[in-house]
Amino acid sequence: KAGVTQTPRYLIKTRGQQVTLSCSPISGHRSVSWYQQTPGQGLQFLFEYFSETQRNKGNFPGRFSGRQFSNSRSEMNVSTLELGDSALYLCASSRDLGGANVLTFGAGSRLTVL
Amino acid sequence: QQQVKQSPQSLIVQKGGISIINCAYENTAFDYFPWYQQFPGKGPALLIAIRPDVSEKKEGRFTISFNKSAKQFSLHIMDSQPGDSATYFCAASIGGYQKVTFGTGTKLQVIP
Repeated sequence: KAGVTQTPRYLIKTRGQQVTLSCSPISGHRSVSWYQQTPGQGLQFLFEYFSETQRNKGNFPGRFSGRQFSNSRSEMNVSTLELGDSALYLCASSRDLGGANVLTFGAGSRLTVL
Repeated sequence: QQQVKQSPQSLIVQKGGISIINCAYENTAFDYFPWYQQFPGKGPALLIAIRPDVSEKKEGRFTISFNKSAKQFSLHIMDSQPGDSATYFCAASIGGYQKVTFGTGTKLQVIP
């Protein structure tokens, strides 16, 4: 059974550019969420999607956006990149049965902004 | 606002010893408390989880102790092994949502 797949695994951008990251959840999982991981702030929730609808959003500026497609695959976009956006971006999926919501994380996309 | 506080930041334990990581939360609406383990180059993986109606949960060498009145919970790793060397995150969430609040992590090193 394939896990959560994130692409690309590594990327380097310069300030002002934009980036799109992709996430393919485990087959059958309908919920996808995104997290930003940095040494200083740890894991910070970005947003959560279920059936193409955003259910929750974290405290990030509007430069951070996401979407989910009908096949549950998800993308997140960061526009006008800043140095502080350098981080590991993690995607997680779950079946969304309610109650104990077990998240399965991908390996992440490591973004470096120069 | 840090809603889940985790300590210590790092921990060195000898092989066979007990590793203890502590967390405290503020939001009494949290109803699910998972612990995640992360190895370098990998995403976090669920290790063990507990609900506030239970005071303790054990899975193999891993035990969660939960004190609802004190709003604290802890992870105990018995007979710690070098393979347990990783970063551990406590976390908390509400209901069935994926919005999880994580602690800041504890880097555990188990030395032979």
